Amino acid sequence: QVQLVQSGAEVKTPGASVKVSCKASGYTFTNYYMHWVRQAPGQGLEWMGMINPSGGSTYYAQKFQGIFTMTRDTSTSTVYMELSSLRSEDTAVYYCARGYSGSFYDYWGQGALVTVSS
Amino acid sequence: SYELTQPLSVSVALGQTARITCGGNNIGSKNVHWYQQKPGQAPVLVIYRDTNRPSGIPERFSGSNSGNTATLTITRAQAGDEADYYCQVWDGSTAVFGGGTKLTVL
Repeated sequence: QVQLVQSGAEVKTPGASVKVSCKASGYTFTNYYMHWVRQAPGQGLEWMGMINPSGGSTYYAQKFQGIFTMTRDTSTSTVYMELSSLRSEDTAVYYCARGYSGSFYDYWGQGALVTVSS
Repeated sequence: SYELTQPLSVSVALGQTARITCGGNNIGSKNVHWYQQKPGQAPVLVIYRDTNRPSGIPERFSGSNSGNTATLTITRAQAGDEADYYCQVWDGSTAVFGGGTKLTVL
């Protein structure tokens, strides 16, 4: 069965960076784009970007360009997201989600809470 | 940028029909997807490409999309349907989510 397992919660200070992993299993890793979506406490879903695990190409939402980086390791079927220059407003649950046919998200990770606090 | 508008909240009596709308400019020309999110959990896909149900989603969930409004309809609402619901589309190379609707089953 398809599973996306994310790394655990993180606490960071303002200005720091955070790296979250998402390990995929149960399907051919390189056949599906992986997306990152975040959700601030009590707020809605916000799309951050996507990565093609096959070639590693990425596309970032304009808001996150320059501070957000996605990478992948095909040997372990894992994608990573790194967000830099953290601010308190970046406190959120970060989800990876498998993109189906470039359209909808059929599987989601369990989420990783990132807390930014001094 | 493209915007999706959802009502903040919708209430429905147990066993009745709930309708959650998602408004956007000419949204009828786009594929709309719907997700259900319960507290502390990741979103779950309930409708894709306007009208399609993934396996495991009850037939009570259905979708429609025309003009400037897409609608998620939940018939015979149950207590377990109480959740936040989000619509989602693609605008060029960017995924866009609606602000979410909290469904309360009375």
